[in-house]
Amino acid sequence: SQTIHQWPATLVQPVGSPLSLECTVEGTSNPNLYWYRQAAGRGLQLLFYSVGIGQISSEVPQNLSASRPQDRQFILSSKKLLLSDSGFYLCAWSTDLRGVDGYTFGSGTRLTVV
Amino acid sequence: KNQVEQSPQSLIILEGKNCTLQCNYTVSPFSNLRWYKQDTGRGPVSLTIMTFSENTKSNGRYTATLDADTKQSSLHITASQLSDSASYICVVSGGSGYSTLTFGKGTMLLVSP
Repeated sequence: SQTIHQWPATLVQPVGSPLSLECTVEGTSNPNLYWYRQAAGRGLQLLFYSVGIGQISSEVPQNLSASRPQDRQFILSSKKLLLSDSGFYLCAWSTDLRGVDGYTFGSGTRLTVV
Repeated sequence: KNQVEQSPQSLIILEGKNCTLQCNYTVSPFSNLRWYKQDTGRGPVSLTIMTFSENTKSNGRYTATLDADTKQSSLHITASQLSDSASYICVVSGGSGYSTLTFGKGTMLLVSP
């Protein structure tokens, strides 16, 4: 069966520090991978998606970047965190980009920038 | 612009009572609609999926309805339990291009003992 792992679960980082969130998927090959951010009282916002190794598409300009060094590994990074980067970050995977078969989400990372 | 609007924003009900959550969407073309349950601090988990031709779908105490003509969906929870306390998110797949999921902001449900 397919599983998705995301870590860490919570993170408190000072402004200006770097960030690295990791997501891995097991039990499937060539998944479409996504990073979402969920701010308090707001819906999920798509940050990045990837259809394959080294292929990253950004949905919104921001202080963050993503990388996919391996087929089932997706990393969200920042060189210098801003206060506005605080939020709940979710990794997800799907078999198709249009999400016809739905998305499977990771358990999320609560990031607080102080 | 593709949009998904959910109501109410939050809801408090007594354990054992029923409730109905609403979702209105303007996504076109439409592919499917899903209801997700998101426990606090966790990722969303899919409850139901409905395509254009489906009117009703049940998953235990959860029943979703879809009216594709009026572009409305509802999620009815029967005999609520404390564990039903969560955010319920309506997600519509469709639109043009790719990565075409449009998320509602969710309804926060609190089931009180």
